[in-house]
Amino acid sequence: SQQGEEDPQALSIQEGENATMNCSYKTSINNLQWYRQNSGRGLVHLILIRSNEREKHSGRLRVTLDTSKKSSSLLITASRAADTASYFCAIYNAGNMLTFGGGTRLMVKP
Amino acid sequence: DSGVTQTPKHLITATGQRVTLRCSPRSGDLSVYWYQQSLDQGLQFLIQYYNGEERAKGNILERFSAQQFPDLHSELNLSSLELGDSALYFCASSAGGDIQYFGAGTRLSVL
Repeated sequence: SQQGEEDPQALSIQEGENATMNCSYKTSINNLQWYRQNSGRGLVHLILIRSNEREKHSGRLRVTLDTSKKSSSLLITASRAADTASYFCAIYNAGNMLTFGGGTRLMVKP
Repeated sequence: DSGVTQTPKHLITATGQRVTLRCSPRSGDLSVYWYQQSLDQGLQFLIQYYNGEERAKGNILERFSAQQFPDLHSELNLSSLELGDSALYFCASSAGGDIQYFGAGTRLSVL
């Protein structure tokens, strides 16, 4: 099974609302990353949080990391229709590999 | 635009055939990664090359092979293709750091 598991698998919200996606993982990590994928396109890196960090912000994105619970969350504030995409968490570990979760499909309705 | 170029964008072939997917990494990136994305398996890491040498191996089938050339471009060879190999194949590159930059992918359809 994949290292990172996102929850929920799908999320539908109205424009202007906040979207929260969660990621759980099983082993120790060097860092955890979030990527975005528009339908059928390549993944785009959004934000990276290191294992010794608890929270990070980038524009409308806020990521938290709780290494004791082996979980992370991605918050997108004031969502826009253009945020409609799949969002993946990825675990970067000592093996220098990125292991991706199954993704959360976000739909933002205008 | 990530700077990673993958060709072709689409590939349609028959079972039993062999295909080659090509990837040009971002200028200066020494690491190239290959991933397979399918509906049932999600995004699976296949293999990584660093400056021409294999660095890490994931869930890559024996029918699949890859290489990275001196100019750092990489090719993923898929042989004896099966219906289940139909998927999106992504290449990513990095400068050796944590963040990977993905190409637009090659959509392979095996009929």
